[in-house]
Amino acid sequence: DAKTTQPTSMDCAEGRAANLPCNHSTISGNEYVYWYRQIHSQGPQYIIHGLKNNETNEMASLIITEDRKSSTLILPHATLRDTAVYYCIVSPPGFQKLVFGTGTRLLVSP
Amino acid sequence: EPEVTQTPSHQVTQMGQEVILRCVPISNHLYFYWYRQILGQKVEFLVSFYNNEISEKSEIFDDQFSVERPDGSNFTLKIRSTKLEDSAMYFCASTVGRGLAGGELFFGEGSRLTVL
Repeated sequence: DAKTTQPTSMDCAEGRAANLPCNHSTISGNEYVYWYRQIHSQGPQYIIHGLKNNETNEMASLIITEDRKSSTLILPHATLRDTAVYYCIVSPPGFQKLVFGTGTRLLVSP
Repeated sequence: EPEVTQTPSHQVTQMGQEVILRCVPISNHLYFYWYRQILGQKVEFLVSFYNNEISEKSEIFDDQFSVERPDGSNFTLKIRSTKLEDSAMYFCASTVGRGLAGGELFFGEGSRLTVL
């Protein structure tokens, strides 16, 4: 079963930052936090991952709290194309499978 | 940009028929996966494959399912005798390596299987 808790849905205005929270209070010391998204019924798409430091790439930023029990994915300037289901997944580094939960359905509106 | 390709995009079959879903992973990737998503439900792991053998499989992946890498480029999922409940979107994925190097799974666009 998924080890994360995410809000079912969120709304964001186009051009604004989208901040998607995730709780993972039972995360183990060697587990990473991964974020994927699924646009409509397409294949999931990798966004970012991290262990304890904050991470940034061309798509998003990942902020992990010091106790590692929660994290926030930030899309700095959301566009309509960012409308998708966003999945927060915790997994050890030698993972063989990703366990997807129900994710957060983000709707970006004009 | 390299991508995982899957064929067919949609297949309709009769219950009890055999189905083969095909995937071409990214060329330098070594780990291959199948996931499925029943309409309206979660994405579920089916199987992982490395070095020409299954490295892990879920309880969903029973004897009706098999995977094969018949040549250097294709990775296939076979369902021997399809059931109505096999109707789903099937996603192939691949990674360069296991562990942190394999942190990013590249997924294909999926093959939609409809069993009548």
